[in-house]
Amino acid sequence: GAGVSQSPSNKVTEKGKDVELRCDPISGHTALYWYRQSLGQGLEFLIYFQGNSAPDKSGLPSDRFSAERTGGSVSTLTIQRTQQEDSAVYLCASSPAGTGSSYEQYFGPGTRLTVT
Amino acid sequence: SQKIEQNSEALNIQEGKTATLTCNYTNYSPAYLQWYRQDPGRGPVFLLLIRENEKEKRKERLKVTFDTTLKQSLFHITASQPADSATYLCASGFTFGKGTHLIIQP
Repeated sequence: GAGVSQSPSNKVTEKGKDVELRCDPISGHTALYWYRQSLGQGLEFLIYFQGNSAPDKSGLPSDRFSAERTGGSVSTLTIQRTQQEDSAVYLCASSPAGTGSSYEQYFGPGTRLTVT
Repeated sequence: SQKIEQNSEALNIQEGKTATLTCNYTNYSPAYLQWYRQDPGRGPVFLLLIRENEKEKRKERLKVTFDTTLKQSLFHITASQPADSATYLCASGFTFGKGTHLIIQP
């Protein structure tokens, strides 16, 4: 079946502009995660959605970052007033259930964001 | 908060030998640990999960151990092949280590 998809695959934007990154999780997966990965760095957790529960936003680095998940499926990560330090690969993952169930995460290919 | 530590230096192994990667965690013992493989330009791919009460888990040429006394998990690849070259990530929930870059030399 189809895996996690993300769009766009690459995004170049000017400093100060807003960007939206999209994630389509695997159908039926209730949990969805956003991470970012800077060059040579590990995955940095951003936000976690589980079913209809309030999202865990503890990883968002600033109030310029926000995310929503519509209808328990597609998710959009929005970065307002982008800064150069926002340049990274943004990865989305989904799993059949939340972290408490220890299910593996299925990752998308990522969106490479470059802020000039 | 939990921290996952992996040796970030590249690990060079001769083809056919066993590669052993280390993952250490701080603070509380996690209920489980996961191992992922990441190739350049791609998202991580799940390999194995081991629970706190399991000493060892195997899948084909892969073996993972979990030592709660040492606060450590070891990831072994036996009969390593050049195609095993990748970065391997250890994770607990949504806390990931930085990964170890494994290079299998022919």
